[in-house]
Amino acid sequence: SQQGEEDPQALSIQEGENATMNCSYKTSINNLQWYRQNSGRGLVHLILIRSNEREKHSGRLRVTLDTSKKSSSLLITASRAADTASDFCAANSGGYQKVTFGIGTKLQVIP
Amino acid sequence: DAGVIQSPRHEVTEMGQEVTLRCKPISGHNSLFWYRQTMMRGLELLIYFNNNVPIDDSGMPEDRFSAKMPNASFSTLKIQPSEPRDSAVYFCASNALWASGEQFFGPGTRLTVL
Repeated sequence: SQQGEEDPQALSIQEGENATMNCSYKTSINNLQWYRQNSGRGLVHLILIRSNEREKHSGRLRVTLDTSKKSSSLLITASRAADTASDFCAANSGGYQKVTFGIGTKLQVIP
Repeated sequence: DAGVIQSPRHEVTEMGQEVTLRCKPISGHNSLFWYRQTMMRGLELLIYFNNNVPIDDSGMPEDRFSAKMPNASFSTLKIQPSEPRDSAVYFCASNALWASGEQFFGPGTRLTVL
C-alpha cells in the first residue's frame, strides 16, 4: 500500500500562480521527500525535509511538515509552464534509504 | 558522472519470453532500488540492495521476478516467464546510504509484453 497519498490528484493553474499540493503518510518517518516526474522520464528529487524540521525552502519551493498530523505540503510559487509534471511525495522510514511513494499530483501550468 | 544508466530503454517481447533489465548505478552509491510504475498501481518498490546485498524483496510480485547485484556497478532484474500484466515502466535508482536520502533515478525501461 502507498505510504504517501497526495491531494489533489490533479491541479491546473495559470502561469504565475502558486500551486499547493498535500501529502499524508501513515507511519513515523525519518524524512519526507518530494520528487518530480516529467512525462516519460525518471523522477528528479526536488526537496527533502527531516522529521525534526517544520519548514524548508529551495528556490520557488516551500515544503512544510506536520508530524502530529502525518502530513506535508509543497508550495510552488510563481509557477512556470516548465513546472507541468507529476509531483510525488516519498516517505522514508526505517534504517535504510527506502522510501514509499504516493500516487502523485499531476500539475498542469497553463502559459 | 553519467547518472544512473538503464538498458534497454524500450523492450517489446512476447508472453512467455525471458526479459532482462539492466542498471548501472552512480559510481560511489551503495544502495540500489528497482521500481515498477503503472497507471493502476503507481510507483512500487520491488527490491533494494545495500552494498550489493538484497535487503528487502517484499515488493517482488512473484517468483517469476528475480534481481541480482553481482557487483557495485551492475544490477539486473529478470522476469521469466513474462506475462502481459508485467507491462510497465521499470526504474532503477541509486543513492549513498550516508547521504541525505535523495535517490537518483535512471530514465527507465518501458516494457511491453504482448
